[in-house]
Amino acid sequence: ETGVTQSPTHLIKTRGQQVTLRCSSQSGHNTVSWYQQALGQGPQFIFQYYREEENGRGNFPPRFSGLQFPNYSSELNVNALELDDSALYLCASSFGGGAGETQYFGPGTRLLVL
Amino acid sequence: AQTVTQSQPEMSVQEAETVTLSCTYDTSENNYYLFWYKQPPSRQMILVIRQEAYKQQNATENRFSVNFQKAAKSFSLKISDSQLGDTAMYFCAFPPYGNKLVFGAGTILRVKS
Repeated sequence: ETGVTQSPTHLIKTRGQQVTLRCSSQSGHNTVSWYQQALGQGPQFIFQYYREEENGRGNFPPRFSGLQFPNYSSELNVNALELDDSALYLCASSFGGGAGETQYFGPGTRLLVL
Repeated sequence: AQTVTQSQPEMSVQEAETVTLSCTYDTSENNYYLFWYKQPPSRQMILVIRQEAYKQQNATENRFSVNFQKAAKSFSLKISDSQLGDTAMYFCAFPPYGNKLVFGAGTILRVKS
């Protein structure tokens, strides 16, 4: 069974640029959630995708957008990068978005915005 | 707003001893789930244990157990026979909507030899 994978592992961008982060869900999972984890803090929910449709969004501006593909992998796109976007971005997959469905996390992508 | 509070920023424990990490949460729901996740320095978030609120019995996974007090909205994690590999950041998490998690600020646990 393949776990959740993310790419790239690290990324450096400058303010105003755009970035795309990628996530492959665990085998058999159809739901992907994205979280932002600032240094020394707990992760914050960005949004969730279930069967290629957005299924809930946290308190993040529209410049944070995403996609889910037919194979249930996902992308997180961030436009007009700001310094505060520097963080660890975590992807988690699950089988469905129900309350009891455990999420399994990938290793994360560390984004640094200069 | 649904919140999760971890009041202990850092904890230390000697190898082989027992430590308890605290977590309180706020919800008006009656049936829900609670989770503890571990994030080692390698940073991959790993599920430690989960509890279903409608179950009276506290969840247990090997050396890890919880003390779930529903009325007090308290969900503490007990680690018995602590090992060096338990050194990590521990997060309490609660999903107020579906399985979209709200995390606490975390507790850094250091296991000393």
